[in-house]
Amino acid sequence: SYVLTQPPSVSVAPGQTARITCGGNNIGNKGVHWYQQRPGQAPVLVVYDDSDRPSGIPERFSGSNSGNTAALTISRVEAGDEADYYCQVWDTFGDHVVFGGGTKLTVL
Amino acid sequence: QLQLQESGPGLVKPSETLSLSCTVSGGSVNNTNYYWGWIRQPPGRGLEWIGSIYYRGSTYYNPSLKSRVTISVNTAKNQFSLKLSSVTAADTAVYYCARQNIEGATTWFDPWGQGTLVTVSS
Repeated sequence: SYVLTQPPSVSVAPGQTARITCGGNNIGNKGVHWYQQRPGQAPVLVVYDDSDRPSGIPERFSGSNSGNTAALTISRVEAGDEADYYCQVWDTFGDHVVFGGGTKLTVL
Repeated sequence: QLQLQESGPGLVKPSETLSLSCTVSGGSVNNTNYYWGWIRQPPGRGLEWIGSIYYRGSTYYNPSLKSRVTISVNTAKNQFSLKLSSVTAADTAVYYCARQNIEGATTWFDPWGQGTLVTVSS
């Protein structure tokens, strides 16, 4: 089955840029979606279809996807961005949803 | 604004069946543009998709859970439900329901319910 690989953790200072990667075989051929999950809360969609933002999500959140790596980039990181982030795709071959293992973003 | 709310027992005994419902408000499960999904998260771990349903009843499930999962929809109550049979401690998790958007060959979940913790223990 299709596997998505994320780094367990990423650390960044406030005001800097955080980049969270999501690796998968030819992931550039798939639509990638990203969720933010703050402690004790339900996940929230922050980027869909590689690089689109739902209404209400700040422009600081952006996505990219090419080759074997997709990425979520958070510019001008704030303390409130500290959360777990998950990537997700639809595995058309297996006909099911796949989540990455998640990345904990720490704001130093 | 669409909202989803999970409900059901918070404690289930091993070998029994876990049953949860998700009530949709501010929208209809009959909407032809969406599927409706269940996702779970064991304590301290990542997200795992369980399965999804269309209002007409077509379903697809996580292969690792397929033999134990049944998802159904009740359009009259504007709800969809999850049944997971023969549960073990490994099924202890927060269970989320969510609306599943589909566009071409991709799909994503938005919004999500707040989640409900189900503990499997005797």
